[in-house]
Amino acid sequence: DSGVTQTPKHLITATGQRVTLRCSPRSGDLSVYWYQQSLDQGLQFLIQYYNGEERAKGNILERFSAQQFPDLHSELNLSSLELGDSALYFCASSFGQGAANTEAFFGQGTRLTVV
Amino acid sequence: AQSVTQLDSQVPVFEEAPVELRCNYSSSVSVYLFWYVQYPNQGLQLLLKYLSGSTLVKGINGFEAEFNKSQTSFHLRKPSVHISDTAEYFCAVRKAAGNKLTFGGGTRVLVKP
Repeated sequence: DSGVTQTPKHLITATGQRVTLRCSPRSGDLSVYWYQQSLDQGLQFLIQYYNGEERAKGNILERFSAQQFPDLHSELNLSSLELGDSALYFCASSFGQGAANTEAFFGQGTRLTVV
Repeated sequence: AQSVTQLDSQVPVFEEAPVELRCNYSSSVSVYLFWYVQYPNQGLQLLLKYLSGSTLVKGINGFEAEFNKSQTSFHLRKPSVHISDTAEYFCAVRKAAGNKLTFGGGTRVLVKP
Protein backbone atom coordinates (compact mmCIF):
# COMPACT_ATOMS: atom_id res chain seq x y z
CA ASP A 1 0.00 0.00 0.00
CA SER A 2 1.57 3.26 -1.20
CA GLY A 3 -0.54 5.45 1.05
CA VAL A 4 -2.05 7.28 -1.94
CA THR A 5 -5.80 6.76 -2.18
CA GLN A 6 -7.80 7.20 -5.36
CA THR A 7 -11.55 7.04 -5.71
CA PRO A 8 -13.48 5.67 -7.42
CA LYS A 9 -11.57 2.59 -8.63
CA HIS A 10 -13.82 2.19 -11.66
CA LEU A 11 -16.05 4.63 -13.49
CA ILE A 12 -18.27 4.02 -16.49
CA THR A 13 -19.92 7.00 -18.08
CA ALA A 14 -21.38 8.16 -21.39
CA THR A 15 -19.86 10.45 -23.99
CA GLY A 16 -20.43 14.12 -23.29
CA GLN A 17 -20.60 13.64 -19.54
CA ARG A 18 -18.39 15.10 -16.81
CA VAL A 19 -16.65 13.15 -14.05
CA THR A 20 -14.47 13.95 -11.05
CA LEU A 21 -11.62 11.75 -9.91
CA ARG A 22 -10.34 12.15 -6.37
CA CYS A 23 -6.90 11.63 -4.88
CA SER A 24 -5.70 11.74 -1.28
CA PRO A 25 -1.89 11.95 -1.11
CA ARG A 26 0.30 10.21 1.43
CA SER A 27 0.28 11.87 4.82
CA GLY A 28 2.74 14.79 4.75
CA ASP A 29 3.16 14.89 0.97
CA LEU A 30 2.67 18.33 -0.54
CA SER A 31 2.93 17.50 -4.25
CA VAL A 32 0.25 15.73 -6.25
CA TYR A 33 0.67 14.57 -9.83
CA TRP A 34 -1.87 13.22 -12.31
CA TYR A 35 -0.96 10.77 -15.07
CA GLN A 36 -3.00 9.13 -17.79
CA GLN A 37 -2.25 5.59 -18.96
CA SER A 38 -3.79 4.51 -22.25
CA LEU A 39 -2.96 1.79 -24.74
CA ASP A 40 -2.04 4.19 -27.52
CA GLN A 41 -0.29 6.96 -25.55
CA GLY A 42 1.28 5.00 -22.70
CA LEU A 43 1.87 6.84 -19.42
CA GLN A 44 1.55 10.60 -19.87
CA PHE A 45 2.00 13.34 -17.32
CA LEU A 46 -1.02 15.62 -17.05
CA ILE A 47 -0.49 18.13 -14.26
CA GLN A 48 1.22 18.76 -10.91
CA TYR A 49 0.16 20.74 -7.85
CA TYR A 50 2.33 21.70 -4.93
CA ASN A 51 0.74 22.92 -1.73
CA GLY A 52 -2.34 24.11 -3.55
CA GLU A 53 -0.66 25.75 -6.52
CA GLU A 54 -0.27 24.47 -10.05
CA ARG A 55 3.43 23.88 -10.72
CA ALA A 56 3.75 21.93 -13.95
CA LYS A 57 1.53 21.09 -16.86
CA GLY A 58 1.84 18.35 -19.43
CA ASN A 59 -0.33 17.45 -22.40
CA ILE A 60 -3.54 18.05 -20.52
CA LEU A 61 -6.60 18.75 -22.66
CA GLU A 62 -8.53 21.96 -22.17
CA ARG A 63 -11.57 19.81 -21.27
CA PHE A 64 -9.62 18.56 -18.25
CA SER A 65 -8.88 20.57 -15.14
CA ALA A 66 -7.54 19.87 -11.68
CA GLN A 67 -7.17 21.49 -8.31
CA GLN A 68 -5.58 20.83 -4.96
CA PHE A 69 -7.51 21.77 -1.85
CA PRO A 70 -6.24 23.15 1.49
CA ASP A 71 -6.29 19.65 2.99
CA LEU A 72 -3.99 18.67 0.06
CA HIS A 73 -6.37 16.25 -1.60
CA SER A 74 -6.73 16.77 -5.33
CA GLU A 75 -9.47 16.35 -7.89
CA LEU A 76 -9.19 15.84 -11.62
CA ASN A 77 -12.24 17.00 -13.56
CA LEU A 78 -12.87 15.58 -17.02
CA SER A 79 -15.66 17.12 -19.08
CA SER A 80 -17.29 16.62 -22.48
CA LEU A 81 -15.96 13.10 -22.36
CA GLU A 82 -15.04 11.29 -25.55
CA LEU A 83 -14.45 7.60 -26.20
CA GLY A 84 -10.72 8.31 -26.45
CA ASP A 85 -10.64 9.53 -22.84
CA SER A 86 -11.08 5.95 -21.67
CA ALA A 87 -7.91 5.22 -19.72
CA LEU A 88 -6.41 4.52 -16.35
CA TYR A 89 -5.80 7.74 -14.43
CA PHE A 90 -3.11 7.67 -11.77
CA CYS A 91 -2.43 10.06 -8.98
CA ALA A 92 1.02 10.20 -7.39
CA SER A 93 2.36 12.19 -4.47
CA SER A 94 5.72 13.26 -3.14
CA PHE A 95 6.93 15.29 -0.20
CA GLY A 96 8.86 17.98 -2.02
CA GLN A 97 9.43 19.17 -5.50
CA GLY A 98 12.40 19.75 -7.72
CA ALA A 99 15.69 18.37 -6.45
CA ALA A 100 14.11 17.62 -3.07
CA ASN A 101 11.59 15.30 -4.69
CA THR A 102 13.39 11.99 -4.85
CA GLU A 103 10.45 9.65 -5.22
CA ALA A 104 6.80 9.68 -6.20
CA PHE A 105 4.29 7.19 -4.77
CA PHE A 106 1.44 6.08 -6.99
CA GLY A 107 -2.15 5.25 -6.19
CA GLN A 108 -4.00 2.24 -7.62
CA GLY A 109 -5.60 4.33 -10.30
CA THR A 110 -9.12 5.05 -11.50
CA ARG A 111 -10.18 3.14 -14.58
CA LEU A 112 -12.45 5.35 -16.68
CA THR A 113 -14.55 3.81 -19.40
CA VAL A 114 -16.47 6.12 -21.69
CA VAL A 115 -19.26 4.43 -23.64
CA ALA B 1 12.75 17.69 -23.25
CA GLN B 2 13.51 14.21 -22.03
CA SER B 3 12.59 10.98 -23.76
CA VAL B 4 12.83 7.33 -22.75
CA THR B 5 13.05 4.30 -25.00
CA GLN B 6 12.46 0.79 -23.75
CA LEU B 7 13.83 -1.36 -26.48
CA ASP B 8 11.76 -4.47 -25.82
CA SER B 9 7.99 -4.37 -25.57
CA GLN B 10 7.79 -7.99 -24.40
CA VAL B 11 10.32 -10.31 -22.80
CA PRO B 12 9.43 -13.96 -22.22
CA VAL B 13 11.74 -15.70 -19.78
CA PHE B 14 11.83 -19.04 -17.97
CA GLU B 15 11.62 -19.23 -14.21
CA GLU B 16 15.03 -19.01 -12.48
CA ALA B 17 16.65 -17.58 -15.63
CA PRO B 18 18.21 -14.11 -15.65
CA VAL B 19 16.47 -11.17 -17.28
CA GLU B 20 17.66 -7.79 -18.54
CA LEU B 21 15.30 -4.98 -19.51
CA ARG B 22 16.86 -2.25 -21.59
CA CYS B 23 16.24 1.45 -21.16
CA ASN B 24 17.83 4.35 -22.99
CA TYR B 25 17.10 7.99 -22.35
CA SER B 26 17.92 11.35 -23.84
CA SER B 27 18.28 14.57 -21.94
CA SER B 28 20.42 17.68 -22.14
CA VAL B 29 20.41 18.19 -18.38
CA SER B 30 21.09 16.13 -15.26
CA VAL B 31 18.39 13.56 -14.63
CA TYR B 32 17.13 11.16 -12.02
CA LEU B 33 16.25 7.68 -13.30
CA PHE B 34 13.64 5.24 -12.03
CA TRP B 35 12.26 1.79 -12.66
CA TYR B 36 8.66 1.09 -11.73
CA VAL B 37 6.74 -2.20 -11.83
CA GLN B 38 3.03 -2.55 -12.51
CA TYR B 39 1.41 -5.85 -11.57
CA PRO B 40 -1.91 -6.69 -13.24
CA ASN B 41 -4.68 -4.34 -12.12
CA GLN B 42 -2.33 -2.53 -9.77
CA GLY B 43 -0.68 0.86 -9.52
CA LEU B 44 2.98 1.60 -10.10
CA GLN B 45 5.50 0.51 -7.49
CA LEU B 46 9.02 1.87 -7.34
CA LEU B 47 11.67 -0.81 -7.85
CA LEU B 48 14.75 1.38 -7.66
CA LYS B 49 16.10 4.83 -8.45
CA TYR B 50 19.32 6.52 -9.44
CA LEU B 51 19.86 10.02 -8.12
CA SER B 52 23.66 10.29 -7.93
CA GLY B 53 26.71 8.42 -6.67
CA SER B 54 27.34 4.75 -7.35
CA THR B 55 26.18 3.76 -10.80
CA LEU B 56 25.02 0.34 -9.65
CA VAL B 57 21.73 0.63 -7.86
CA LYS B 58 20.06 -2.16 -5.93
CA GLY B 59 16.32 -2.23 -5.50
CA ILE B 60 13.56 -4.36 -4.10
CA ASN B 61 12.79 -7.97 -5.01
CA GLY B 62 16.37 -8.69 -6.11
CA PHE B 63 16.43 -6.20 -8.98
CA GLU B 64 19.38 -3.97 -9.78
CA ALA B 65 20.18 -1.43 -12.47
CA GLU B 66 23.29 0.22 -13.81
CA PHE B 67 23.47 3.84 -14.85
CA ASN B 68 25.76 4.42 -17.83
CA LYS B 69 26.10 8.10 -18.57
CA SER B 70 28.16 7.72 -21.75
CA GLN B 71 25.61 5.35 -23.25
CA THR B 72 22.65 7.15 -21.68
CA SER B 73 21.31 3.83 -20.46
CA PHE B 74 19.75 2.49 -17.28
CA HIS B 75 19.23 -1.24 -17.82
CA LEU B 76 17.40 -3.33 -15.23
CA ARG B 77 18.55 -6.84 -14.32
CA LYS B 78 17.58 -9.73 -12.13
CA PRO B 79 19.79 -12.83 -11.91
CA SER B 80 16.95 -15.31 -11.31
CA VAL B 81 13.28 -14.52 -11.94
CA HIS B 82 10.20 -15.96 -10.26
CA ILE B 83 6.71 -16.47 -11.62
CA SER B 84 5.65 -13.56 -9.41
CA ASP B 85 7.89 -11.21 -11.44
CA THR B 86 5.38 -11.39 -14.29
CA ALA B 87 4.41 -7.76 -14.70
CA GLU B 88 5.00 -4.67 -16.80
CA TYR B 89 8.12 -2.65 -16.09
CA PHE B 90 8.51 1.04 -16.79
CA CYS B 91 11.68 3.07 -17.00
CA ALA B 92 11.23 6.76 -16.19
CA VAL B 93 13.38 9.86 -16.20
CA ARG B 94 13.00 13.22 -14.53
CA LYS B 95 15.07 16.37 -14.67
CA ALA B 96 16.92 16.53 -11.36
CA ALA B 97 15.44 19.96 -10.74
CA GLY B 98 12.12 19.13 -12.33
CA ASN B 99 8.92 17.45 -11.25
CA LYS B 100 7.25 15.38 -13.91
CA LEU B 101 8.26 11.85 -14.81
CA THR B 102 8.67 10.90 -18.46
CA PHE B 103 8.00 7.20 -18.96
CA GLY B 104 9.11 4.70 -21.52
CA GLY B 105 6.59 2.55 -23.31
CA GLY B 106 6.96 -0.32 -20.86
CA THR B 107 8.29 -3.88 -21.12
CA ARG B 108 5.95 -6.74 -20.41
CA VAL B 109 7.78 -9.61 -18.70
CA LEU B 110 6.19 -13.03 -18.84
CA VAL B 111 7.87 -15.63 -16.64
CA LYS B 112 7.19 -19.18 -17.75
CA PRO B 113 7.51 -22.25 -15.53
